[in-house]
Amino acid sequence: DARVTQTPRHKVTEMGQEVTMRCQPILGHNTVFWYRQTMMQGLELLAYFRNRAPLDDSGMPKDRFSAEMPDATLATLKIQPSEPRDSAVYFCASGLGYTSTDTQYFGPGTRLTVL
Amino acid sequence: DQQVKQNSPSLSVQEGRISILNCDYTNSMFDYFLWYKKYPAEGPTFLISISSIKDKNEDGRFTVFLNKSAKHLSLHIVPSQPGDSAVYFCAASVTTQGGSEKLVFGKGTKLTVNP
Repeated sequence: DARVTQTPRHKVTEMGQEVTMRCQPILGHNTVFWYRQTMMQGLELLAYFRNRAPLDDSGMPKDRFSAEMPDATLATLKIQPSEPRDSAVYFCASGLGYTSTDTQYFGPGTRLTVL
Repeated sequence: DQQVKQNSPSLSVQEGRISILNCDYTNSMFDYFLWYKKYPAEGPTFLISISSIKDKNEDGRFTVFLNKSAKHLSLHIVPSQPGDSAVYFCAASVTTQGGSEKLVFGKGTKLTVNP
């Protein structure tokens, strides 16, 4: 049963600390998305990759957020320094296709709390 | 500026009755619409979609209707079952200025189906 995995599932940290979230996409999927869910904004696209190359990161605050895909089995989202307003659930999704309308398979999310 | 709006944060229906979840959008450039379902502590899962050239798409108990002139779509679930209790997200696809596609999500509607 192929699934997207995310680690950690929960993270509590203090303001100013670096946070790294990891995602393992479904094997063979060529598109990886990072989303953030908050009560105020709902689900927002932060960035996405196709064949490991960044395609769109316009939704991501560039000064503190960075997203990478070191290899086809790992995507990372880093926040440095973290701020309380970054508290949210961060979802990774992967897909086998070339458009965002192809089915995206979401991971269970990382719940981040920044104190 | 919410381009995809789900104005009802919650909806409660009786088992066996019809559930109707609504979604409004503002961007006439949206050309594909999707519904995702989310259970607690899990990521969203794809449910059903519709292209802007159609006005209806049906899949078992789930039907999505699109009214382009009103910029409105709705998801009908009939008959509703307790297992349908979840948060439902409406999403729309748009091509960005950079040429990439992205999904824009609404904030979600929490459906509760009472036995």
